[in-house]
Amino acid sequence: IAGITQAPTSQILAAGRRMTLRCTQDMRHNAMYWYRQDLGLGLRLIHYSNTAGTTGKGEVPDGYSVSRANTDDFPLTLASAVPSQTSVYFCASSTLQGTEAFFGQGTRLTVV
Amino acid sequence: GNSVTQMEGPVTLSEEAFLTINCTYTATGYPSLFWYVQYPGEGLQLLLKATKADDKGSNKGFEATYRKETTSFHLEKGSVQVSDSAVYFCALTTGTASKLTFGTGTRLQVTL
Repeated sequence: IAGITQAPTSQILAAGRRMTLRCTQDMRHNAMYWYRQDLGLGLRLIHYSNTAGTTGKGEVPDGYSVSRANTDDFPLTLASAVPSQTSVYFCASSTLQGTEAFFGQGTRLTVV
Repeated sequence: GNSVTQMEGPVTLSEEAFLTINCTYTATGYPSLFWYVQYPGEGLQLLLKATKADDKGSNKGFEATYRKETTSFHLEKGSVQVSDSAVYFCALTTGTASKLTFGTGTRLQVTL
């Protein structure tokens, strides 16, 4: 089934540890995005990429980094996790011209 | 900047009741407007969209009309079902589809 795959589904992480959340899409979409979802705040954009080789900062980029080596993959890295990064993380993709975003199932991350 | 304000939840309704979830927005330029739905344990799915003023988006019995004069995009359904229980997010973009600005979400609980 075509779509977006995120891994892991959930993770408990010790503060100070490094963690990479994986995201892969098979729809050949140019644009990919990472959001975090927090109760009472909705979803907020962390980083985005309009095409392979380029990335940009969203609303809440601090403490996170991304790379876009190819069209399909868009990993999100927490270099040194802190408890405030406890959240549910969603990867999304779309065509650059389209008006619909497709979301993955999410990664629930708990930093302790 | 862009922002979305939607009514606080949770909203609890009996099956077959009428649903309204209010959404208002501020945006630079001419936004496209969306309602996304998140069922328990799942990612977000596009429910409906409208890309210009006076457009009406509709899907699965839900409707919303893009009202530029009141900067609103209220979600309505004439007769809700238990299966509609979910969190509903109003969102907008003034750029590509996934650079979305979300509201905080409204949880709907429908009971028999």
